[in-house]
Amino acid sequence: DIQMTQSPSSLSASVGDRVTITCRASRNISSYLNWYQQKPGKAPKVLIYGASSLQSGVPSRFSGSGSGTDFTLTISSLQPEDFATYFCQQSYDIPMLTFGQGTKLEIK
Amino acid sequence: EVQLVESGGGLVQPGGSLRLSCAASGFTVSSNYMSWVRQAPGKGLEWVSIIYTSGSAYYADSVKGRFSISRDISQNTLYLQMNSLRAEDTAVYYCARVREMATVQIYYYYYMDVWGKGTTVTVSS
Repeated sequence: DIQMTQSPSSLSASVGDRVTITCRASRNISSYLNWYQQKPGKAPKVLIYGASSLQSGVPSRFSGSGSGTDFTLTISSLQPEDFATYFCQQSYDIPMLTFGQGTKLEIK
Repeated sequence: EVQLVESGGGLVQPGGSLRLSCAASGFTVSSNYMSWVRQAPGKGLEWVSIIYTSGSAYYADSVKGRFSISRDISQNTLYLQMNSLRAEDTAVYYCARVREMATVQIYYYYYMDVWGKGTTVTVSS
C-alpha cells in the first residue's frame, strides 16, 4: 500500500502570509495527487487534482506542484477563510485512495 | 443541483449492523465511481470503499469482509452495509462522487468532487 505523509501536522500563520504544505508518497505516484480543504464540521472540498490542476471555482491563490513522491500545496496570500485542515490523497493506486494525515492551519 | 445526502447513521452495539444510504440528485450514481470515506472523532480522513460503474467493489483492509457497498439504480442511491461493527468504526461517514478526468496521456485522474454532509455512526455498548 502507498503511504502518504504530510508535513507539518500543524502550523500557525497570519492573514497575508504565503504558506506551503508538503505531502510525500511512499513510492512514485507520478502526478496522481489531490488536495482537499476541510473546515470544522464540514465535508472536505477538493482544491487541486492531478498535482497542479485547480478545481473549478477554487481561488487562484491556491496552487499545487510536484511529481513522483514529493508534492506541495501553496497558498500565496492567506485569507481568513483559509484557516482549515488540508489533506492530500493519492489516486495512483486506485481503487485504494489513501489520504495523508492532514495539516491543520491555524491563525497566529 | 448536484447533491449527496447521507442517512442511516446512529448508535449501535459492538457486533451489530447498520446500513447507510446516500441519495444523489443532479447526476446518476450508476454512471459514476462512488466512494465512502470516514472520519473518526478528531482524526483524519480514511477511505473505506469504492464502487465502479461496472459494479466492481473494493474495500479498505480495515473493513474488508464486514462492509459491503452497493447501489440502487431506480432510487439513484448508494449504500454501505456495515456488519460486525467495532468501536473503531465510530466515525462520520461521507459518501462522495469520484470524478474521472482524462489526461493527455490517456490516463485518468480520480478525485472526489461532490461530497455529502456526512452521517454519524457510533459503536458503543
